[in-house]
Amino acid sequence: GAVVSQHPSRVICKSGTSVKIECRSLDFQATTMFWYRQFPKQSLMLMATSNEGSKATYEQGVEKDKFLINHASLTLSTLTVTSAHPEDSSFYICSARDEYTGKGTEAFFGQGTRLTVV
Amino acid sequence: DAKTTQPNSMESNEEEPVHLPCNHSTISGTDYIHWYRQLPSQGPEYVIHGLTSNVNNRMASLAIAEDRKSSTLILHRATLRDAAVYYCILRDVWYGGSQGNLIFGKGTKLSVKP
Repeated sequence: GAVVSQHPSRVICKSGTSVKIECRSLDFQATTMFWYRQFPKQSLMLMATSNEGSKATYEQGVEKDKFLINHASLTLSTLTVTSAHPEDSSFYICSARDEYTGKGTEAFFGQGTRLTVV
Repeated sequence: DAKTTQPNSMESNEEEPVHLPCNHSTISGTDYIHWYRQLPSQGPEYVIHGLTSNVNNRMASLAIAEDRKSSTLILHRATLRDAAVYYCILRDVWYGGSQGNLIFGKGTKLSVKP
């Protein structure tokens, strides 16, 4: 089946630094990818919708200047957490659907990235 | 998207069937019922989906009430690997583009005892 690969799976960074998370669709193309955030013992919350070749769409309350999204190709979207602070520590998950081969029903998720800001 | 209601948690014994309920009384005629599960420290994975008829696949079965206001995910023989949070999500028939995201509720945390 289709696979979405997310990297890194785990990262620890110092407060004030930036961290980039990559999300790749390995065997299908995706014009749209989604970025979620999940705090401990809570559900996934959509942060933003990544659109290939255009600006991302951010959910209310998500700072676009802090969470930079780049969707430069049909198989890669990146999320950069800029000037990270401890409150940004969370589990970040990307998702994509195979929109071109008729398998659009199922959403595929990356393995997630555990970000810890110290 | 219409809202779903699931129990916070359920317990099962290994190798026994598990029935995970979901209520969706405000479901619309074009809403599909999707189930995803999230194993600890992993991203969610697709389990099954259906519209009106009961559905079976290699992972599970989905039983949909005749009025579509509730559904039940059935794991025929629970294993320790099935311990996860199970999410019941309604999605409109149109999934495309920016509307393709999923809205997750709190789900049901399934524990499986050996």
